[in-house]
Amino acid sequence: DGGITQSPKYLFRKEGQNVTLSCEQNLNHDAMYWYRQDPGQGLRLIYYSQIVNDFQKGDIAEGYSVSREKKESFPLTVTSAQKNPTAFYLCASSRGTSGGGISTDTQYFGPGTRLTVL
Amino acid sequence: AQKVTQAQTEISVVEKEDVTLDCVYETRDTTYYLFWYKQPPSGELVFLIRRNSFDEQNEISGRYSWNFQKSTSSFNFTITASQVVDSAVYFCALSEARKNTGNQFYFGTGTSLTVIP
Repeated sequence: DGGITQSPKYLFRKEGQNVTLSCEQNLNHDAMYWYRQDPGQGLRLIYYSQIVNDFQKGDIAEGYSVSREKKESFPLTVTSAQKNPTAFYLCASSRGTSGGGISTDTQYFGPGTRLTVL
Repeated sequence: AQKVTQAQTEISVVEKEDVTLDCVYETRDTTYYLFWYKQPPSGELVFLIRRNSFDEQNEISGRYSWNFQKSTSSFNFTITASQVVDSAVYFCALSEARKNTGNQFYFGTGTSLTVIP
C-alpha cells in the first residue's frame, strides 16, 4: 500500500530534550512538508523540501530542524530551543516541484504525531 | 490578511440534514488551485478534492458536492443527507502558482462539523 507513515503516534518529551519525529513515504513524491497544528487552529508550515538534500524554512521554523538525505524520508527534530513544542505534527508529501517554492500538487498527509512536553 | 477564510468555526446538524461549509479565498493570480481536506478525530488529513481556477464546473461525488464561484471567490462544500461519520474538521486550502517568488499553499482555520444522531 502506498502512503505516508509517521512515528511515533504519541511522544512525550521532557523539557530541554531534543526529539526526532519520523516521516516516511513510498509514493515516490519529490516534495515533503512538516506542519504543526495547535488545538482549534489551522496548519502552520514548519519546513518543506522539494528535492533530496534541499529544504526550506516555512513560517515557523525556529526551534526545529530537518534533513532530507533520502527521497522517502524527511525527519523533523524538535530542539530544546522550541519554547512551546506541545502540538500535533503532520507530515505531507506531494508529487512534483514547480521550479521554486511549494508545489501546487495535492499534498497527502500522514497520520500525525502528537507531541507532549512534560 | 487571511488568504483562506472559513468563517464557520463550528457547525452542528442532525443526521440526514444537508450542510454547507463555506470557504472564501483571496488571490491576485489567475492560475490557482483549491482544495478541501477532511480531518476526522484520528487526526490524519484526508484529501477530498482539488480544483483549478479555470474549471468552474460544480462537482458531485456521492453525497459531497462543491460549488466554485470565481465571481465571489468562494469554494463551498455541501454534504447531503449528513451522517455521523461526516463528523470531522474540514479544511479549505489555496495553492498559488507563482513564477517569480515561488508557489504558496494556504490553509484555512477549519470548520468543525458535528453530526448528531
